[in-house]
Parts: sequence; C-alpha cells; structure tokens
Amino acid sequence: DAMVIQNPRYQVTQFGKPVTLSCSQTLNHNVMYWYQQKSSQAPKLLFHYYDKDFNNEADTPDNFQSRRPNTSFCFLDIRSPGLGDAAMYLCATSRSNQPQHFGDGTRLSIL
Amino acid sequence: AQSVSQHNHHVILSEAASLELGCNYSYGGTVNLFWYVQYPGQHLQLLLKYFSGDPLVKGIKGFEAEFIKSKFSFNLRKPSVQWSDTAEYFCAVAFNDYKLSFGAGTTVTVRA
Repeated sequence: DAMVIQNPRYQVTQFGKPVTLSCSQTLNHNVMYWYQQKSSQAPKLLFHYYDKDFNNEADTPDNFQSRRPNTSFCFLDIRSPGLGDAAMYLCATSRSNQPQHFGDGTRLSIL
Repeated sequence: AQSVSQHNHHVILSEAASLELGCNYSYGGTVNLFWYVQYPGQHLQLLLKYFSGDPLVKGIKGFEAEFIKSKFSFNLRKPSVQWSDTAEYFCAVAFNDYKLSFGAGTTVTVRA
C-alpha cells in the first residue's frame, strides 16, 4: 500500500549521460516535491509543483529539470550528471500546507 | 536567513533511557513545525507536527515535542527509548508557507 512510489530504488549512470527518476503517488495530493539528500546532510529542496505550477529553488542547478504530466506522476531529469550529483533523491507529496509524505528515495550513483 | 539547526549529530543511549533531541530555528514569523523519522532502509515518516494550539504535541510511538516560541525551539522527547527507536531524526520547519527546511538530522543509536 505504498503511497509515494519512486523508481528505481537504485540508479547507476555514466558521467554526462542523461538520467530520469520517476515518482508516482496514490494520494491525489496537489503538491509534489523533489529533494536531494547527500550523505549526513539534510534533504535539500530542488523544486516543487503546486498543482501545475512549477517552482524552482534559486540555487537548483540548471542541470536539473522536472516534469509533471498529470497529478499522479512527477519526473526528475538530470541532463548531464556530474560526480557531485551522486545522492539520494527524495520525492514527497502533500495537500497544500499539510505534512509531506515521502517515497523511499532513489539512490543515484555516477560512474 | 531562515535556518534550522539540530544540536546533536549522533546520540547513543541504552534502552529505557530518556531521549531529548534539540531543534532550533531562526525566524520571527509564523512557522509550522515537524519531526520526521527515518528508520534504516525506510522512507521519512512523520512523527508529529505543530501548527497551532497546545504547544505540547504528542506523536506516534510515544514521542512528544514542545514548541517554545520565545526560544525558537521545538525539542523532541521520549521518556523511555527502545532498541527499535534506532533511526535518524529530522526536524523540519515551514517558514510562513508550505515548503520545508530540514535540519541536518540526528542519528540515534539505542543499545539493547
């Protein structure tokens, strides 16, 4: 009965090779978020969709983009991954300002 | 600048000991406050939240937290921990909107 589902759990890609991470939800929440979490650090918000409106954090690199084709799905695209992009990527959802529900994350490794 | 700080990076204690994890934030406006827990190999889960009302909030698994506005603090407590409380604990704050800023996390290790 997972409610926020991230695929895959582990992703390995080559330096500079585009990669897409996916997130889906069964909660019908209107807000979806993507966070980057590096080892022993706090999750850092990259961007979020409030309904169809995309909101980018000021310090999110241009290398990172997102798509939300419908309420249930949201994708994180990394156009040219560098070694510094190796991290855990967390997807979360919420109904407006209510508590966020998190997926299990996708651990991205860069070769 | 708005920030969230957690005082302890790693806490080690024995079963039945009491636990208190500190969380402070820097912001003078309206905040919503949260504690999340991440058990090994699992996703972040909400322990408890404070939006308004009674500043002492009770969450799941016997945890509670107290919001002290004058101290900009939202400390997490549990009177008697169990081995299963071994996890990473994150304090998170929504500063006047719905986006969360997280503290760096505290790893809690409970020894049997």
